[in-house]
Amino acid sequence: ILNVEQSPQSLHVQEGDSTNFTCSFPSSNFYALHWYRWETAKSPEALFVMTLNGDEKKKGRISATLNTKEGYSYLYIKGSQPEDSATYLCAPYNTGNQFYFGTGTSLTVIP
Amino acid sequence: SAVISQKPSRDICQRGTSLTIQCQVDSQVTMMFWYRQQPGQSLTLIATANQGSEATYESGFVIDKFPISRPNLTFSTLTVSNMSPEDSSIYLCSVTRGGGEKLFFGSGTQLSVL
Repeated sequence: ILNVEQSPQSLHVQEGDSTNFTCSFPSSNFYALHWYRWETAKSPEALFVMTLNGDEKKKGRISATLNTKEGYSYLYIKGSQPEDSATYLCAPYNTGNQFYFGTGTSLTVIP
Repeated sequence: SAVISQKPSRDICQRGTSLTIQCQVDSQVTMMFWYRQQPGQSLTLIATANQGSEATYESGFVIDKFPISRPNLTFSTLTVSNMSPEDSSIYLCSVTRGGGEKLFFGSGTQLSVL
């Protein structure tokens, strides 16, 4: 089992604010790092799959960076909107062919 | 992408009974994963189901409590046996298209045990 930590555990921001979360994971046997968004009453949905050290991915107002040497990834949301309210999960994938999810960051965007 | 049908979507069960959750994928996949999210917790991997072999269970999960079937490459079931209120969770099946590829999830089963 991998020790995956996400911070903060929860976050409340005003609409229009930018925010970011952190995912920390063991850097050994690293293969890929996944970010998922899990909205209430829906299934988790993949945001990004990141594999290379220094990777930066972007999807609309959401972006993510990856540091495999030190074992962390940041997720950024620019100009948060109420529809961004969800739990954001990171899941490293190692050479053991398994995903282990972090505890998640619950984001609430207040209109 | 993958289309995954999971049922039931929710159920309320009595203590001591068992519930079988079904997961049907629209195409053949090698591995299927079963996850659980207990209230206030994140997704926890229960087991990995491979077709043609016994499922591989994570620490803290045993076959007697969570028997899994994988009769073919598009279908799997997870049974929650002898349920107690602590089994109240969301159960999700998921698949991946290949090593390190993103996971696709079923719609989830919301289980409440009274």
